[in-house]
Amino acid sequence: EVQLVESGGGLVQPGGSLRLSCAGSGFTFSTYWMSWVRQAPGKGLEWVANIEDNGSEKNYVDSVKGRFTISRDNAKNSLNLQMNSLRAEDTAVYYCARDYHFDTSGRGYYFDYRGQGTLVTVSS
Amino acid sequence: DIQMTQSPSSLSASVGDRVTITCRASQSINRYLNWYQQKPGKAPKVLIYAASSLQSGVPSRFSGSGSGTDFTLTISSLQPEDFATYYCQQSWGTVTFGGGTKVEIK
Repeated sequence: EVQLVESGGGLVQPGGSLRLSCAGSGFTFSTYWMSWVRQAPGKGLEWVANIEDNGSEKNYVDSVKGRFTISRDNAKNSLNLQMNSLRAEDTAVYYCARDYHFDTSGRGYYFDYRGQGTLVTVSS
Repeated sequence: DIQMTQSPSSLSASVGDRVTITCRASQSINRYLNWYQQKPGKAPKVLIYAASSLQSGVPSRFSGSGSGTDFTLTISSLQPEDFATYYCQQSWGTVTFGGGTKVEIK
């Protein structure tokens, strides 16, 4: 059974930092791209970042570029998100998600599994 | 970034109704468009991928169509378990989601 378990969320002041982690199990972690997706309370879904299966390529939504860093440790089946210079608008539940590629173009993928999420609240 | 505009943002419908939700991309995304269903407190579930491919296990009353910039999700006969929020998502560029369509009971 595929499982993704996030941790590391909490309350942080504006300008502060947090490091989120996601532990994957039940699948060959090192063969999948992985993403972070967030959802502000009562709001819609927003993709935050993803990382190639071997960690070489990383992509970010514009609003977090230069502040967030995605990384992974395939030996430990873990995905991380280092979040610096946090803003009130970063408040959300953060989910890690597995990217399922349905074609070989590199563009065709969807999120087939997601964890239960970890809440990040940025407030003074 | 590619903007995804969903409409309507909400709708009220009755069991048995035919429901159509549209998603428009700010530029051509070929057929790299997926549809999700999300129920309160639950993870989104993919219904349709690549614009019109039905995900395994999803009822055939769900269908998708479109290419380029305009896409449609259709529920042919709305069932009680279909009341939820639906999102489109493109993967042609860096991933973006539509704003969501909440389907409520009339």
